[in-house]
Amino acid sequence: ETGVTQTPRHLVMGMTNKKSLKCEQHLGHNAMYWYKQSAKKPLELMFVYSLEERVENNSVPSRFSPECPNSSHLFLHLHTLQPEDSALYLCASSLSGGGDTQYFGPGTRLTVL
Amino acid sequence: QQQVKQSPQSLIVQKGGISIINCAYENTAFDYFPWYQQFPGKGPALLIAIRPDVSEKKEGRFTISFNKSAKQFSLHIMDSQPGDSATYFCAASLSGNEKLTFGTGTRLTIIP
Repeated sequence: ETGVTQTPRHLVMGMTNKKSLKCEQHLGHNAMYWYKQSAKKPLELMFVYSLEERVENNSVPSRFSPECPNSSHLFLHLHTLQPEDSALYLCASSLSGGGDTQYFGPGTRLTVL
Repeated sequence: QQQVKQSPQSLIVQKGGISIINCAYENTAFDYFPWYQQFPGKGPALLIAIRPDVSEKKEGRFTISFNKSAKQFSLHIMDSQPGDSATYFCAASLSGNEKLTFGTGTRLTIIP
């Protein structure tokens, strides 16, 4: 597969569950991002990794925990989420973290019951 | 708070017409203004972008108009087609900064 892939595409979880979202980029990029997309709201940047180091954490609650084991993979670990965390979670990558075009994956639609 | 305000929230245009989406920003230091297009079930994809050293950029049927003094920029889609039906997001950032500030999106529907 090419571009940015995300799994799973849909996830339903209870508030006490622990789950993980996975993102993989096949573009040879060095920066990866997690965004939250809610209806009628701007895309919210959650985390940025550049060369596998976290460079941005946008005041995201600790129930969201990112992991970037290498420049091609990015995870978002979820635990004790709230119903208001239900949203589309988008992963993106760019060549570097300095304003290059960001390429987005298709997202994971998360529903928290 | 750095913001980008986008309007309208939704837009219906007849096939062949001109679609216009507007954005206004607050931070005068912003110097990169991209537009993203998102189809249902897909992530946003870069459509066209402009930097403030020019007032207009055209790529095919898509044009960005930029007004630095008014802190506004807009997307014009000429000869709009049903395949253009999507949600469009404007964004702004500082050069060398990975953080994009997005607008709230415009759902565009092109009717035959």
